[in-house]
Amino acid sequence: QVQLKESGPGLVQPSQTLSLTCTVSGLSLTSNSVSWIRQPPGKGLEWMGVIWSNGGTDYNSAIKSRLSISRDTSKSQVFLKMNSLQTEDTAMYFCARKGFDYWGQGVMVTVSS
Amino acid sequence: DIQMTQAPSSLPASLGDRVTITCRASQDIGNYLRWFQQKPGKSPRLMIYGATNLAAGVPSRFSGSRSGSDYSLTISSLESEDMADYYCLQSKESPFTFGSGTKLEIK
Repeated sequence: QVQLKESGPGLVQPSQTLSLTCTVSGLSLTSNSVSWIRQPPGKGLEWMGVIWSNGGTDYNSAIKSRLSISRDTSKSQVFLKMNSLQTEDTAMYFCARKGFDYWGQGVMVTVSS
Repeated sequence: DIQMTQAPSSLPASLGDRVTITCRASQDIGNYLRWFQQKPGKSPRLMIYGATNLAAGVPSRFSGSRSGSDYSLTISSLESEDMADYYCLQSKESPFTFGSGTKLEIK
């Protein structure tokens, strides 16, 4: 069955870089896009970006300069890297597959010194 | 970027009520509109795709409709398990954009 699981550090210091991994199973990254979505505590959902099945990427205009999404198809993993983190980046981070019918459980990231 | 204006932000309702949540798109998005339900501490759940299609396993009391640039999610008879946050998402063009959300709560 299709599964996605996010992993990464729970705590990141301000100005540092966040690195998250979305490990998928039951689906091929060469035929499925994967999006990253985040949700600050008590707030709404924000689409961050996508890596398409052909490896191309698109990003949210507001964070485009800080964000990079990549993948390793051999390991069935999608990576998110975002630099210059601030407290406003504290959020639950989710990955979801094409169609948004399957989501990971999310990983909470706190930006704090 | 396409803006999705969602209303209301909060919707107090009673069990058995018929409720409707609306998203308005700032540009043409065709039927590239999805609706999600999210309960506290959980990942969002896809409810409607293609503006009007019920996702797998979603109860038939949920329905989606479109009128021009206005998209609606309707619950025909509210049940206690429907109390949650609801979001729309346009995927017509990147960057994709969510509506701001609607909190459905018991009156």
